[in-house]
Amino acid sequence: DTGVSQDPRHKITKRGQNVTFRCDPISEHNRLYWYRQTLGQGPEFLTYFQNEAQLEKSRLLSDRFSAERPKGSFSTLEIQRTEQGDSAMYLCASSPYTTSGHENIQYFGAGTRLSVL
Amino acid sequence: LAKTTQPISMDSYEGQEVNITCSHNNIATNDYITWYQQFPSQGPRFIIQGYKTKVTNEVASLFIPADRKSSTLSLPRVSLSDTAVYYCLVDYQGGKLIFGQGTELSVKP
Repeated sequence: DTGVSQDPRHKITKRGQNVTFRCDPISEHNRLYWYRQTLGQGPEFLTYFQNEAQLEKSRLLSDRFSAERPKGSFSTLEIQRTEQGDSAMYLCASSPYTTSGHENIQYFGAGTRLSVL
Repeated sequence: LAKTTQPISMDSYEGQEVNITCSHNNIATNDYITWYQQFPSQGPRFIIQGYKTKVTNEVASLFIPADRKSSTLSLPRVSLSDTAVYYCLVDYQGGKLIFGQGTELSVKP
């Protein structure tokens, strides 16, 4: 399978615990995005990388959220001291980046569903 | 304030054409519009993308008027398998990625 892969698919944790999610993008894509999606809502943009550089992180929900992409390949999203309000689907997407003037199409993984008890 | 707005739900019957409109009043000159389809427990799947006028591919058409403040996704001859949530995404000024709240399409036999 050469699509975007996310791991785990489901995560159940207790309030106050830290959780980390992994995303493996399509191999030739140099842009990687993280979103949060709650029930009945559209995906909410959190952050994105171009290669290893995090170009936008102001939309991260709080300082408990952080993301890394150390070698410009896979990425991790960490939530520290989880709260019940963090329960949601966390989606990762990747896209190629070109300077052709055309918008870059994002391809999404299946997501990681987080439940905070 | 950038905002992307869609109807919450639509109903249709098999074989009909379905048109879903998205409003994006603050769209800028170089902002693209992208539509996605999402089934339960799956990530969104790309349908079509456009910048102006009309774009057509094998599954849908996208109509964008001259003022670009709205766009319409057109699905020809829908089937039961097209029952899903459809999202409009606008990348406002490169980096402000805002999805609409989604339109839940229900196709009936």
